Amino acid sequence: QSALTQSPSVSGSPGQSVTISCTGTSSDVGNYDRVSWYQQSPGTVPKLIIYRVGQRPSGVSDRFSGSKSGNTASLTISGLRAEDEADYYCCSYAGDYSWVFGPGTRVNVL
Amino acid sequence: QITLKESGPTLVNPAQTLTLTCTFSGFSLSTSRVGVGWIRQPPGEALEWLAVIYWDDYKRYSPSLRARLSITKDTSENQVVLTMTKMDPVDTATYYCSHIVMTFGAVTADDAFDFWGPGTVVTVS
Repeated sequence: QSALTQSPSVSGSPGQSVTISCTGTSSDVGNYDRVSWYQQSPGTVPKLIIYRVGQRPSGVSDRFSGSKSGNTASLTISGLRAEDEADYYCCSYAGDYSWVFGPGTRVNVL
Repeated sequence: QITLKESGPTLVNPAQTLTLTCTFSGFSLSTSRVGVGWIRQPPGEALEWLAVIYWDDYKRYSPSLRARLSITKDTSENQVVLTMTKMDPVDTATYYCSHIVMTFGAVTADDAFDFWGPGTVVTVS
């Protein structure tokens, strides 16, 4: 089971868009459309914001969108707001009913 | 609605075995495609998937921790128990349990950890 990679941090000003990448391998991200994204603000429980690459759960803002190309999944936050400042984790199915999380990306709102 | 809650010791001695219980409501672990997973997060660090158990008692573990982990379910009590042997200070973390529904056959599901418990802090010292 390989590890996923994410950039440690990204920054943006309010109103801008930022994109977070999550790179895996052909054994996980590249082979399955089972990539999810979680938002975790300091001191809170992780919250599912994207599932199956680009689907949003009910109640999640449409400013969050997900996509995938090859072994890399991406999360884009449009119209950045102060409340979006948090850690974002990707998670991928790794086959045989197992899972792997990425190391997380801190989004800073300038 | 779906809720989960973790329980167990807050302090564990090194080399001891940790036993955590996840008590849930709003779903049944006897329902096809449903699972409960455990994820942990050391202070200031990333989420780490540990284990998952599915409705059919299929179990999967993180490869790096497989030798130390065991996961079981009690469907009648709506509980999932995770045990981790040989605890070490590096295992100090918040431990979460979470609900998941898997795509199976022609039926598509979220394939994500959609509901989480509040977490329980475990310190190894």
